[in-house]
Amino acid sequence: SQQGEEDPQALSIQEGENATMNCSYKTSINNLQWYRQNSGRGLVHLILIRSNEREKHSGRLRVTLDTSKKSSSLLITASRAADTASYFCATDGRSGNTPLVFGKGTRLSVIA
Amino acid sequence: DAGITQSPRHKVTETGTPVTLRCHQTENHRYMYWYRQDPGHGLRLIHYSYGVKDTDKGEVSDGYSVSRSKTEDFLLTLESATSSQTSVYFCAIGDRGPSNQPQHFGDGTRLSIL
Repeated sequence: SQQGEEDPQALSIQEGENATMNCSYKTSINNLQWYRQNSGRGLVHLILIRSNEREKHSGRLRVTLDTSKKSSSLLITASRAADTASYFCATDGRSGNTPLVFGKGTRLSVIA
Repeated sequence: DAGITQSPRHKVTETGTPVTLRCHQTENHRYMYWYRQDPGHGLRLIHYSYGVKDTDKGEVSDGYSVSRSKTEDFLLTLESATSSQTSVYFCAIGDRGPSNQPQHFGDGTRLSIL
């Protein structure tokens, strides 16, 4: 399995601070995706970064991808209490048709 | 939010009984997925479908079967439920191949097998 592994498992920060989560994976990928899950809800897609991209932005989110190190990071700037959630990375197979494999997630707590 | 409805949202049943979970979508998406989420394991794929009557196994398919007779419905069946199948089950849909499109998730079914 080419499961992504998020690091850290849990992160607690103050409102207004930046939060950085990392994802490492094992084999070559086509794309990498990040999802958020609020307590008791389903996952919500945040951003997709392709293997030929190095950085992508969406609002307060910044995702980087380093295919040489097989790693990605998700940065949330100026965090808010509403950002409290679990964050998952998901990787695909090189062919592009392999089902996504999700990591175990990082639990982010933003304290007001 | 994408139109995905999972039913039931909660279910408690006994070991050995059959259980069917339903996922209904109104988005006309081709791909549908069933996952289970357990502490310490994250989200794991059970089965998925890439069209009507076209399904394939995922990482943890043993003890589960699926059916998709219509584009909008994807059923997950536990033929004889075991306590190890106690979990939260999520359905997801996607328009194109898994890596080309975000997946949209339902809010889950919490299943307890006593």
